[in-house]
Amino acid sequence: GDSVTQTEGLVTLTKGLPVMLNCTYQTTYSPFLFWYVQHLNEAPKLLLKSSTDNKRTEHQGFYATLHKSSSSFHLQKSSVQLSDSALYFCALSEETGGLSGKLTFGEGTQVTVIS
Amino acid sequence: DMKVTQMPRYLIKRMGENVLLECGQDMSHETMYWYRQDPGLGLQLIYISYDVDSNSEGDIPKGYRVSRKKREHFSLILDSAKTNQTSVYFCASSFGASQNTLYFGAGTRLSVL
Repeated sequence: GDSVTQTEGLVTLTKGLPVMLNCTYQTTYSPFLFWYVQHLNEAPKLLLKSSTDNKRTEHQGFYATLHKSSSSFHLQKSSVQLSDSALYFCALSEETGGLSGKLTFGEGTQVTVIS
Repeated sequence: DMKVTQMPRYLIKRMGENVLLECGQDMSHETMYWYRQDPGLGLQLIYISYDVDSNSEGDIPKGYRVSRKKREHFSLILDSAKTNQTSVYFCASSFGASQNTLYFGAGTRLSVL
């Protein structure tokens, strides 16, 4: 079945530094990838999404590029802020044209930004 | 305002008791979901509902059942709750298929003692 792997469970970094959160996936269908962000005691919210190979997607200073050749959708930001401290989930959906509705989530990466 | 509302936010139950978690959305979304979130496991899909009385098992349905009698309302029921069902439960909704954005509720933190 489908799977999503996020290799970093915890990331701690200093304000102003760049960050990259890894996300790789496995699927037999055409992939649709998402990044969701969950701040403490809040609901997860969509950060960005893509199904287009080799095209950079950006939102709120974060960006990611879907690379189907390497099955990756890494999340990056050039300069993190204290408010970026949150739990980040990578998620995969199958672009089958049907209504399977199933979104497979990775385990999540907890990002803590310190001053 | 697009909103998914979950009730209650916090719940403590004893093992063997029945549990009802309720979820409502004001966006007329066809598709609704129940997920549970546990540390290190991410979000795991319990059930998905494509519309009224059109429900399908997710990845971990055992021990749970759902009810959807109105498009805007989706309930999760635990008959005879178990301690391993202690978790944070999230309801979500989306317009159509999962390629569209999921809108999550704030979650219900359930403790089964």
